[in-house]
Amino acid sequence: GAGVSQSPRYKVAKRGQDVALRCDPISGHVSLFWYQQALGQGPEFLTYFQNEAQLDKSGLPSDRFFAERPEGSVSTLKIQRTQQEDSAVYLCASSLSEIRGQFEAFFGQGTRLTVV
Amino acid sequence: AQSVAQPEDQVNVAEGNPLTVKCTYSVSGNPYLFWYVQYPNRGLQFLLKYITGDNLVKGSYGFEAEFNKSQTSFHLKKPSALVSDSALYFCAVRDMDSNYQLIWGAGTKLIIKP
Repeated sequence: GAGVSQSPRYKVAKRGQDVALRCDPISGHVSLFWYQQALGQGPEFLTYFQNEAQLDKSGLPSDRFFAERPEGSVSTLKIQRTQQEDSAVYLCASSLSEIRGQFEAFFGQGTRLTVV
Repeated sequence: AQSVAQPEDQVNVAEGNPLTVKCTYSVSGNPYLFWYVQYPNRGLQFLLKYITGDNLVKGSYGFEAEFNKSQTSFHLKKPSALVSDSALYFCAVRDMDSNYQLIWGAGTKLIIKP
């Protein structure tokens, strides 16, 4: 497809369960971002990849959160031992290249995670 | 610390009237500023950006925004509102001198009444 694709759209997890959220960025986009959006709030930065390199993971809230982009395309955000406070919408975004000055990011529809 | 403020949780405008959604920011370096719109059950959509150059930036769907360095503001405007403009609007800033993270405002709900 032409846009950023995220799956699943909705995920209900039992507390303590591990989850994996997938992001397919726009083809050719070098930069990939993960954000967490709580209800009624703006997105909060989690992590940033340039190709396969994770250049910034300062926003990951705990060591239960892990992200990877092994081939510089698809990315997975993994949350281990989920807790209720992890409930949020997880947004993935990609942009063409910081180097070329294409600074706007294109967002997927997000994965709504509910931990029960 | 970098921050973005959207002082209005909600803005109500009659259809056909001009609209303004306010945004102020604080960064230590040069700001790159963005507006995004979020419709229910849909992803964030890019509207417009200010990187450099002309302070008045035109974007999608007839929206425009004016960068004011002295007031550290980047208000979103449209001359004539449509009911279909009703959505959640987010302002975001990136300090390109230090990092590439987008710092987001809390969002403003825009309601256009027929």
